[in-house]
Amino acid sequence: ETGVTQSPTHLIKTRGQQVTLRCSSQSGHNTVSWYQQALGQGPQFIFQYYREEENGRGNFPPRFSGLQFPNYSSELNVNALELDDSALYLCASSRSGGTGGNNEQFFGPGTRLTVL
Amino acid sequence: AQSVAQPEDQVNVAEGNPLTVKCTYSVSGNPYLFWYVQYPNRGLQFLLKYITGDNLVKGSYGFEAEFNKSQTSFHLKKPSALVSDSALYFCAVRDPRWGSSASKIIFGSGTRLSIRP
Repeated sequence: ETGVTQSPTHLIKTRGQQVTLRCSSQSGHNTVSWYQQALGQGPQFIFQYYREEENGRGNFPPRFSGLQFPNYSSELNVNALELDDSALYLCASSRSGGTGGNNEQFFGPGTRLTVL
Repeated sequence: AQSVAQPEDQVNVAEGNPLTVKCTYSVSGNPYLFWYVQYPNRGLQFLLKYITGDNLVKGSYGFEAEFNKSQTSFHLKKPSALVSDSALYFCAVRDPRWGSSASKIIFGSGTRLSIRP
């Protein structure tokens, strides 16, 4: 098990609602990345936070937003939920600092979001 | 466009036999390559990575992977499979030109490995 925790474990929402997912990074890690994993697919990169700022973004619309806090924990916010947002949302932490591109990421267990 | 392909949705191997899970990539330049494993209801666990150096990389749980630049492949291997190796395996690639952060790793679609007793 990694030291990355995510909450909640499961979540059910309806279309149009907003959701906030939370992630606590592993001790000593200053970078958090978020991924969306649809059923039967590999994780898709949403964005990454480093030093409380967004540090790279995948092909996701602006209604996907995030925060990173001084303790390096992070939130993923999704507004105006759509049915296709149903997926497993994974948080990963790593130790970056400008040269962390080759550092492996440590994943949390994920939050399974169902949008009805 | 940068991409990762795992051509096999499922690989079935008898326990004790060698296993190979295939991965090919399309990235300009010298990529960073990773293998992760996902067990049911669990997040991804890091197995191994190739950054530079020896083409044969050894990782966790007896797994290894061979980087082949001419074939743009990074196949995962294990000499003797265990039933407990049954899981979903993901190959991933990062183009170092994307910046110095660890962002924008591209994952393959995954290969389900099934080891029969």
